[in-house]
Amino acid sequence: QVQLVESGGGVVQPGRSLRLSCAASGFTFSSNGMHWVRQAPGKGLEWVAVISHDIRTKYYADSVKGRFSISRDNSKNTLDLQMNGLRAEDTAVYYCAKGGDNYFLIECWGQGTLVTVSS
Amino acid sequence: DIVMTQSPDSLAVSLGERATINCKSSQSLLYSSNNKNFLAWYQQKPGQPPKLLISWASTRESGVPDRFSGSGSGTDFTLTISSLHAEDVAIYYCQQYFNSPITFGQGTRLEIK
Repeated sequence: QVQLVESGGGVVQPGRSLRLSCAASGFTFSSNGMHWVRQAPGKGLEWVAVISHDIRTKYYADSVKGRFSISRDNSKNTLDLQMNGLRAEDTAVYYCAKGGDNYFLIECWGQGTLVTVSS
Repeated sequence: DIVMTQSPDSLAVSLGERATINCKSSQSLLYSSNNKNFLAWYQQKPGQPPKLLISWASTRESGVPDRFSGSGSGTDFTLTISSLHAEDVAIYYCQQYFNSPITFGQGTRLEIK
């Protein structure tokens, strides 16, 4: 079955950087678009970024554009999110998620990793 | 950006009764070339990640009980639970995947009356 396991979360000071990773298994990773979606404590879902299966296309939410970068390694079945210039409002659980037949459709989610931005 | 607005924000329904959640998009999610609505519904239980229930506005995912159904087209959509079970207590989100940025509704909290 599909498994998505996020890592790299933690507590970081404002303005610093953090890199999240997601290890995927149970499907043909190189065939699917992949997403990052976040959820601030007690709040709703906010989509962050998507990368196409072939790495050619990336889209970002306005709130993270220019600060965050999504990448993937299809040889290692891994998805990354490089987060620079972190702000308090970036505090959230970050979910790695698998795209569906239409890669904008989010089909399956990992358990998430918590990022806390605080001094 | 496409704005997704759900109603109500919270809902309390008796076990065995029908629950209805509405979702309205600020622009049509119907793609004319394939006549499909780019609208999904997710269920999130406490402490868990969201789970995809319905895609393309009305296509139930494998393993999702048939008491869950989705309907609607264009800008107005509905998630219906025909007979509420205790395990259906959750927050439900609609999401458009018509274009980027992908956007979610604010969520509807469903509780037992």
